[in-house]
Amino acid sequence: LAKTTQPISMDSYEGQEVNITCSHNNIATNDYITWYQQFPSQGPRFIIQGYKTKVTNEVASLFIPADRKSSTLSLPRVSLSDTAVYYCLVGDIESGTYKYIFGTGTRLKVLA
Amino acid sequence: DSGVTQTPKHLITATGQRVTLRCSPRSGDLSVYWYQQSLDQGLQFLIQYYNGEERAKGNILERFSAQQFPDLHSELNLSSLELGDSALYFCASSLSGQGIGIYNEQFFGPGTRLTVL
Repeated sequence: LAKTTQPISMDSYEGQEVNITCSHNNIATNDYITWYQQFPSQGPRFIIQGYKTKVTNEVASLFIPADRKSSTLSLPRVSLSDTAVYYCLVGDIESGTYKYIFGTGTRLKVLA
Repeated sequence: DSGVTQTPKHLITATGQRVTLRCSPRSGDLSVYWYQQSLDQGLQFLIQYYNGEERAKGNILERFSAQQFPDLHSELNLSSLELGDSALYFCASSLSGQGIGIYNEQFFGPGTRLTVL
């Protein structure tokens, strides 16, 4: 089963760049890697997804090395409103059965 | 607002009871997913339906079952409830079927908070 691990928590100051890494040792070959943001008592919200190399959108960048065993979410110039929990999502095929696996989640706290 | 609706928002019940959680996907989405989020287990995938058919299955207990109806809404049935079933239950929907890709971004509803006393 794909094991997806993330740092439990991170603190940062406003205006800094934050990088959060997810390690996923066994993901489905054709799948993208997706990252979500979750605020308390709300559903996860899509941030970005990618297959390999680097993807950038208006809120984040995603770096995926060639072996695809990890991915790094980069949040440029964070603000207080970025305080949330961040999850990666990957797919895994275990014994021929497909499953969606969320990472363990990283609690980001942005300080003024 | 993701466009995914879930009812009820909160549910309080007793051990041994049975409850039904309902989800309406975004307009046009054919897939519905169910996830459980508890404090000690994180976000756990339960089951996925695509256009009425079961497409993928996670660590869903035998006491739990789900279905997707012809109008594409879905229901998650939880029976013989135990204290440990207390959690947030999320429904998500996406356009297409299996896998994670450009056309399969999952949009999450606001969740149903289940409390078993």
